[in-house]
Amino acid sequence: DTGVSQDPRHKITKRGQNVTFRCDPISEHNRLYWYRQTLGQGPEFLTYFQNEAQLEKSRLLSDRFSAERPKGSFSTLEIQRTEQGDSAMYLCASSQSGRGYEQYFGPGTRLTVT
Amino acid sequence: TQLLEQSPQFLSIQEGENLTVYCNSSSVFSSLQWYRQEPGEGPVLLVTVVTGGEVKKLKRLTFQFGDARKDSSLHITAAQPGDTGLYLCAGATVSSGSARQLTFGSGTQLTVLP
Repeated sequence: DTGVSQDPRHKITKRGQNVTFRCDPISEHNRLYWYRQTLGQGPEFLTYFQNEAQLEKSRLLSDRFSAERPKGSFSTLEIQRTEQGDSAMYLCASSQSGRGYEQYFGPGTRLTVT
Repeated sequence: TQLLEQSPQFLSIQEGENLTVYCNSSSVFSSLQWYRQEPGEGPVLLVTVVTGGEVKKLKRLTFQFGDARKDSSLHITAAQPGDTGLYLCAGATVSSGSARQLTFGSGTQLTVLP
């Protein structure tokens, strides 16, 4: 296993469209996180899964955002009715249980909403 | 809200020089991570420090966690162009069973000129 992977790497969409991103964590990691990063800022926490359970969500995660991890392996992040303010890098990270502070990040999905 | 402040925000130096970047907070963190991020990529974990006063070395990089676990520093000796990147510190907290979501600083953009 070579690390966390994310797909697609880049997505350009028009305002109002729905988009979905996928994250495949490191195989032995049972915790999975989503972050959002805008230009000139550090990543901001969005949500967290332990196995298939979504245990924590940030206030940043509006009702247009939904994340799933149906079988406790890969995860998807969907944004409905995209807005220009959603343009950002969406990062996925994973960690082992008991070492949740050591999070390993994927390469990210760059979303541009036009 | 827990905030991490990094300084300086930008740093441009010549190859061979030494440098130190700082990460400060008014909050106590259970651990602190340093990441390096290159344009268009996800952050790469460099080190984790968990004990107040802890010092860790990674080749030419020296990381220190403050005694009160509120601050950290990263010192690079004899910087090389390959050290160029965005250096991010991230603090982890645990509360009410939280999965140690990471709070990131806004980063120090380091450029090492040949």
